[in-house]
Amino acid sequence: EAEVAQSPRYKITEKSQAVAFWCDPISGHATLYWYRQILGQGPELLVQFQDESVVDDSQLPKDRFSAERLKGVDSTLKIQPAELGDSAMYLCASSRSGAGGELFFGEGSRLTVL
Amino acid sequence: GEDVEQSLFLSVREGDSSVINCTYTDSSSTYLYWYKQEPGAGLQLLTYIFSNMDMKQDQRLTVLLNKKDKHLSLRIADTQTGDSAIYFCAETPSSNTGKLIFGQGTTLQVKP
Repeated sequence: EAEVAQSPRYKITEKSQAVAFWCDPISGHATLYWYRQILGQGPELLVQFQDESVVDDSQLPKDRFSAERLKGVDSTLKIQPAELGDSAMYLCASSRSGAGGELFFGEGSRLTVL
Repeated sequence: GEDVEQSLFLSVREGDSSVINCTYTDSSSTYLYWYKQEPGAGLQLLTYIFSNMDMKQDQRLTVLLNKKDKHLSLRIADTQTGDSAIYFCAETPSSNTGKLIFGQGTTLQVKP
């Protein structure tokens, strides 16, 4: 069964360091999402791509976060510099069309900033 | 604005029915979802309902939608210990039907 792949699963870093997360969506899925889930809360959308274009990045803290999906397939989310408040689970999801229907989530990358 | 609210915790006995409730604010939401998250894992879609439906049943799961009150519920029949998890309600806002707005999650504890 096809899955959304994410790496690393766990990352511990010190504040002010740079961090990067990678996501490979299900083959053929045009829409890719990065969500952030703080412990005890629901996921919050950071950025949504349709192919290689950004559809929604209204909640992405652009002073320190960046995301790219250069060839419209896999994607990287970067944080530089990391802050204590960035400790969270970063979830990647993909969907076939981006207009309703199912979002498939990866297992997530858990970030701890010390 | 767009907001989804859920109660935080529900405890039931094995074999009982569980009902998890959710309210949302966007009356133009097209799809409403229930996702399940087990500890340390990603989210798994349980079921979803299109906004022109009142009810959807899928094996042990029943979803009820009251559009007038903007209220969604998930009923799990014959709840098992393996159903213990966090359950998230989510809506698709009319401004972006490819996006999900999640509630804060309801922790379901199933006692043997």
